[in-house]
Amino acid sequence: SQTIHQWPATLVQPVGSPLSLECTVEGTSNPNLYWYRQAAGRGLQLLFYSVGIGQISSEVPQNLSASRPQDRQFILSSKKLLLSDSGFYLCAWSKEGFYEQYFGPGTRLTVT
Amino acid sequence: AQSVAQPEDQVNVAEGNPLTVKCTYSVSGNPYLFWYVQYPNRGLQFLLKYITGDNLVKGSYGFEAEFNKSQTSFHLKKPSALVSDSALYFCAVRDMNWIGKSTFGDGTTLTVKP
Repeated sequence: SQTIHQWPATLVQPVGSPLSLECTVEGTSNPNLYWYRQAAGRGLQLLFYSVGIGQISSEVPQNLSASRPQDRQFILSSKKLLLSDSGFYLCAWSKEGFYEQYFGPGTRLTVT
Repeated sequence: AQSVAQPEDQVNVAEGNPLTVKCTYSVSGNPYLFWYVQYPNRGLQFLLKYITGDNLVKGSYGFEAEFNKSQTSFHLKKPSALVSDSALYFCAVRDMNWIGKSTFGDGTTLTVKP
Protein backbone atom coordinates (compact mmCIF):
# COMPACT_ATOMS: atom_id res chain seq x y z
CA SER A 1 0.00 0.00 0.00
CA GLN A 2 1.00 3.59 -0.52
CA THR A 3 2.00 5.98 2.26
CA ILE A 4 2.75 9.67 2.24
CA HIS A 5 4.90 11.34 4.87
CA GLN A 6 5.35 15.00 5.73
CA TRP A 7 7.65 16.61 8.23
CA PRO A 8 7.86 18.40 10.44
CA ALA A 9 4.32 18.28 11.84
CA THR A 10 4.57 21.74 13.35
CA LEU A 11 7.02 24.56 12.85
CA VAL A 12 7.42 28.02 14.34
CA GLN A 13 9.78 30.28 12.43
CA PRO A 14 10.66 33.99 12.65
CA VAL A 15 10.01 36.36 9.78
CA GLY A 16 12.91 36.38 7.34
CA SER A 17 14.11 32.88 8.16
CA PRO A 18 14.38 30.10 5.55
CA LEU A 19 11.95 27.22 5.19
CA SER A 20 12.20 23.64 4.05
CA LEU A 21 9.27 21.23 4.21
CA GLU A 22 9.67 17.71 2.96
CA CYS A 23 7.21 15.20 1.57
CA THR A 24 7.90 11.62 0.55
CA VAL A 25 5.69 8.93 -0.91
CA GLU A 26 6.18 5.20 -0.53
CA GLY A 27 4.71 2.28 -2.43
CA THR A 28 4.25 3.84 -5.84
CA SER A 29 6.37 5.12 -8.69
CA ASN A 30 6.16 8.23 -10.86
CA PRO A 31 3.40 9.86 -8.81
CA ASN A 32 2.06 13.32 -9.49
CA LEU A 33 2.89 15.47 -6.47
CA TYR A 34 1.21 18.59 -5.11
CA TRP A 35 1.76 21.26 -2.46
CA TYR A 36 -1.28 23.07 -1.05
CA ARG A 37 -1.72 25.74 1.60
CA GLN A 38 -4.84 25.91 3.72
CA ALA A 39 -5.58 29.09 5.64
CA ALA A 40 -7.92 29.24 8.63
CA GLY A 41 -9.15 25.67 8.12
CA ARG A 42 -10.96 26.45 4.90
CA GLY A 43 -10.20 26.29 1.21
CA LEU A 44 -7.12 24.81 -0.38
CA GLN A 45 -4.74 26.90 -2.44
CA LEU A 46 -2.66 24.90 -4.90
CA LEU A 47 0.93 26.15 -4.75
CA PHE A 48 2.89 23.73 -6.94
CA TYR A 49 2.45 20.46 -8.76
CA SER A 50 4.88 18.10 -10.42
CA VAL A 51 4.45 15.34 -12.98
CA GLY A 52 8.05 14.14 -12.82
CA ILE A 53 11.56 14.71 -11.51
CA GLY A 54 12.60 18.30 -12.06
CA GLN A 55 9.21 19.25 -13.53
CA ILE A 56 7.49 21.86 -11.38
CA SER A 57 4.48 23.98 -12.21
CA SER A 58 3.83 27.05 -10.09
CA GLU A 59 0.27 28.16 -9.55
CA VAL A 60 0.77 31.27 -7.45
CA PRO A 61 3.69 33.71 -7.72
CA GLN A 62 5.13 34.20 -4.25
CA ASN A 63 8.27 33.78 -2.24
CA LEU A 64 7.93 29.99 -2.12
CA SER A 65 9.58 27.46 -4.40
CA ALA A 66 9.38 23.72 -4.87
CA SER A 67 11.78 21.04 -6.01
CA ARG A 68 11.55 17.37 -6.84
CA PRO A 69 15.03 15.92 -6.56
CA GLN A 70 13.85 12.30 -6.57
CA ASP A 71 10.81 10.52 -7.99
CA ARG A 72 8.97 10.31 -4.68
CA GLN A 73 10.34 13.38 -2.89
CA PHE A 74 8.84 16.85 -3.02
CA ILE A 75 10.30 19.81 -1.13
CA LEU A 76 8.76 23.21 -0.42
CA SER A 77 11.21 26.01 0.32
CA SER A 78 11.52 29.67 1.02
CA LYS A 79 14.58 31.87 1.40
CA LYS A 80 12.82 34.43 3.61
CA LEU A 81 9.50 33.77 5.30
CA LEU A 82 6.74 36.37 5.53
CA LEU A 83 4.01 36.58 8.16
CA SER A 84 1.52 35.76 5.40
CA ASP A 85 3.22 32.39 4.86
CA SER A 86 1.64 31.05 8.04
CA GLY A 87 -0.81 28.25 7.42
CA PHE A 88 -1.37 24.54 7.13
CA TYR A 89 0.71 23.02 4.33
CA LEU A 90 -0.46 19.83 2.71
CA CYS A 91 1.37 17.54 0.35
CA ALA A 92 -0.58 15.16 -1.86
CA TRP A 93 0.04 12.58 -4.55
CA SER A 94 -2.01 11.00 -7.28
CA LYS A 95 -1.46 8.30 -9.82
CA GLU A 96 -0.38 9.34 -13.28
CA GLY A 97 -3.51 10.57 -15.00
CA PHE A 98 -4.57 13.01 -12.27
CA TYR A 99 -7.28 11.04 -10.57
CA GLU A 100 -8.03 11.25 -6.85
CA GLN A 101 -5.37 12.68 -4.59
CA TYR A 102 -4.04 11.26 -1.36
CA PHE A 103 -2.95 13.76 1.25
CA GLY A 104 -0.26 13.75 3.87
CA PRO A 105 -0.88 14.69 7.51
CA GLY A 106 0.17 18.30 6.96
CA THR A 107 2.59 20.79 8.51
CA ARG A 108 1.33 23.63 10.67
CA LEU A 109 3.62 26.61 10.02
CA THR A 110 3.49 29.70 12.21
CA VAL A 111 5.63 32.65 11.20
CA THR A 112 6.24 35.05 14.09
CA ALA B 1 -11.65 26.88 -17.09
CA GLN B 2 -13.17 24.91 -14.26
CA SER B 3 -14.78 25.87 -10.98
CA VAL B 4 -16.69 24.34 -8.12
CA ALA B 5 -19.09 25.85 -5.61
CA GLN B 6 -20.20 24.62 -2.22
CA PRO B 7 -23.07 26.97 -1.42
CA GLU B 8 -23.30 26.14 2.29
CA ASP B 9 -20.53 26.99 4.73
CA GLN B 10 -22.25 24.99 7.46
CA VAL B 11 -24.69 22.07 7.53
CA ASN B 12 -26.28 20.91 10.78
CA VAL B 13 -28.16 17.64 11.11
CA ALA B 14 -29.35 15.42 13.95
CA GLU B 15 -27.81 12.01 14.41
CA GLY B 16 -29.78 9.38 12.54
CA ASN B 17 -31.21 11.84 10.03
CA PRO B 18 -30.17 11.89 6.37
CA LEU B 19 -27.55 14.42 5.34
CA THR B 20 -26.79 16.24 2.10
CA VAL B 21 -23.78 18.42 1.35
CA LYS B 22 -24.20 20.33 -1.88
CA CYS B 23 -21.72 20.85 -4.72
CA THR B 24 -22.10 22.39 -8.16
CA TYR B 25 -19.41 22.59 -10.81
CA SER B 26 -18.49 24.18 -14.09
CA VAL B 27 -16.18 22.69 -16.73
CA SER B 28 -15.88 23.11 -20.46
CA GLY B 29 -15.66 19.36 -21.11
CA ASN B 30 -16.76 16.31 -19.15
CA PRO B 31 -15.99 16.35 -15.43
CA TYR B 32 -14.17 14.14 -13.02
CA LEU B 33 -15.69 14.82 -9.59
CA PHE B 34 -14.42 14.03 -6.10
CA TRP B 35 -15.38 14.35 -2.45
CA TYR B 36 -12.88 14.57 0.38
CA VAL B 37 -13.26 14.82 4.16
CA GLN B 38 -10.95 16.58 6.60
CA TYR B 39 -10.90 16.10 10.36
CA PRO B 40 -9.35 18.83 12.55
CA ASN B 41 -5.61 19.28 12.06
CA ARG B 42 -5.44 16.38 9.62
CA GLY B 43 -4.92 15.95 5.92
CA LEU B 44 -7.82 15.38 3.54
CA GLN B 45 -9.13 11.87 2.99
CA PHE B 46 -10.59 10.74 -0.32
CA LEU B 47 -14.24 9.62 -0.01
CA LEU B 48 -15.48 8.91 -3.53
CA LYS B 49 -15.25 9.89 -7.17
CA TYR B 50 -17.28 10.04 -10.35
CA ILE B 51 -15.38 9.35 -13.55
CA THR B 52 -17.97 7.74 -15.80
CA GLY B 53 -20.80 5.22 -15.61
CA ASP B 54 -23.56 5.12 -13.01
CA ASN B 55 -24.67 8.49 -11.76
CA LEU B 56 -24.88 7.23 -8.17
CA VAL B 57 -21.46 6.45 -6.75
CA LYS B 58 -20.78 4.87 -3.39
CA GLY B 59 -17.76 5.57 -1.25
CA SER B 60 -16.22 5.16 2.15
CA TYR B 61 -18.06 5.29 5.50
CA GLY B 62 -21.52 4.84 3.92
CA PHE B 63 -21.37 8.04 1.86
CA GLU B 64 -22.68 8.29 -1.66
CA ALA B 65 -23.00 11.03 -4.25
CA GLU B 66 -25.23 11.59 -7.23
CA PHE B 67 -23.90 13.05 -10.46
CA ASN B 68 -26.49 15.19 -12.21
CA LYS B 69 -25.22 16.46 -15.56
CA SER B 70 -28.19 18.67 -16.36
CA GLN B 71 -27.94 20.47 -13.02
CA THR B 72 -24.12 20.28 -12.98
CA SER B 73 -24.28 19.00 -9.42
CA PHE B 74 -22.57 16.32 -7.38
CA HIS B 75 -24.20 16.33 -3.95
CA LEU B 76 -22.83 14.16 -1.15
CA LYS B 77 -25.39 12.13 0.79
CA LYS B 78 -25.70 9.67 3.65
CA PRO B 79 -28.95 8.01 4.73
CA SER B 80 -28.24 8.16 8.48
CA ALA B 81 -25.73 10.62 9.95
CA LEU B 82 -23.36 9.78 12.78
CA VAL B 83 -21.80 12.19 15.25
CA SER B 84 -18.43 10.96 13.97
CA ASP B 85 -19.31 12.29 10.50
CA SER B 86 -18.79 15.83 11.82
CA ALA B 87 -15.94 17.26 9.76
CA LEU B 88 -15.06 19.59 6.87
CA TYR B 89 -16.05 18.31 3.45
CA PHE B 90 -14.55 19.36 0.13
CA CYS B 91 -15.84 18.85 -3.38
CA ALA B 92 -13.35 18.93 -6.28
CA VAL B 93 -13.61 18.88 -10.06
CA ARG B 94 -11.26 18.27 -12.96
CA ASP B 95 -12.03 18.67 -16.63
CA MET B 96 -11.21 15.31 -18.23
CA ASN B 97 -9.92 17.04 -21.33
CA TRP B 98 -7.47 19.15 -19.40
CA ILE B 99 -4.34 17.51 -18.10
CA GLY B 100 -3.90 19.61 -15.03
CA LYS B 101 -4.96 20.25 -11.52
CA SER B 102 -8.24 19.69 -9.74
CA THR B 103 -10.13 22.68 -8.40
CA PHE B 104 -11.42 22.42 -4.84
CA GLY B 105 -14.44 24.09 -3.31
CA ASP B 106 -14.16 26.20 -0.18
CA GLY B 107 -15.50 23.42 2.01
CA THR B 108 -18.64 22.76 4.05
CA THR B 109 -18.53 22.13 7.77
CA LEU B 110 -20.88 19.32 8.73
CA THR B 111 -22.01 19.12 12.34
CA VAL B 112 -24.02 16.13 13.47
CA LYS B 113 -25.68 16.62 16.85
CA PRO B 114 -26.61 13.72 19.13
